[in-house]
Amino acid sequence: NAGVMQNPRHLVRRRGQEARLRCSPMKGHSHVYWYRQLPEEGLKFMVYLQKENIIDESGMPKERFSAEFPKEGPSILRIQQVVRGDSAAYFCASSPRQDGAGELFFGEGSRLTVL
Amino acid sequence: QKEVEQNSGPLSVPEGAIASLNCTYSDRGSQSFFWYRQYSGKSPELIMSIYSNGDKEDGRFTAQLNKASQYVSLLIRDSQPSDSATYLCALNAGNNRKLIWGLGTSLAVNP
Repeated sequence: NAGVMQNPRHLVRRRGQEARLRCSPMKGHSHVYWYRQLPEEGLKFMVYLQKENIIDESGMPKERFSAEFPKEGPSILRIQQVVRGDSAAYFCASSPRQDGAGELFFGEGSRLTVL
Repeated sequence: QKEVEQNSGPLSVPEGAIASLNCTYSDRGSQSFFWYRQYSGKSPELIMSIYSNGDKEDGRFTAQLNKASQYVSLLIRDSQPSDSATYLCALNAGNNRKLIWGLGTSLAVNP
């Protein structure tokens, strides 16, 4: 039973390029959360999605960031026109049920470096 | 006041000792509490959840919740060097669909 799969594990982009991070939740999980973590800092909630719906995007910057979780395929976190401050680890987590927001299963993360 | 507060540490204990990690929170409506462990460079991993006042034991780990005093703690008995990690406290205030996270406490278990 595969866990939460994220790719790429490492991504290097130059300023102004686009970064696209993918997350496949655990089998049977329809709730996906994206978090950002800077070195020596805590986890910052970004967005909570269910299939085809954004439920809570209160942690997403208003510009350049978007997320989707289509009916088929992985969840995508997209960062347009990246800047150096976007360099961070981006974690995806999934949960089997809506009220299971505390019992999250995390992927290994995607580490974005912006040059 | 931060919603979830943890001492950043590092907390250093000798191998075999009890490590005590504490977490206080501000929202009295919080209902569910979680401890995650995160090794350096890795992703968080759920190790304990607790929902009612009192103690909950799982192997060498014991979570303690006191809602009146608004704190939750994690005890690790017979600490091992492999327990060296950052321990993240998180809580869910019921109607929220997302967790509120502390910044974590770094634990170092010395052989």
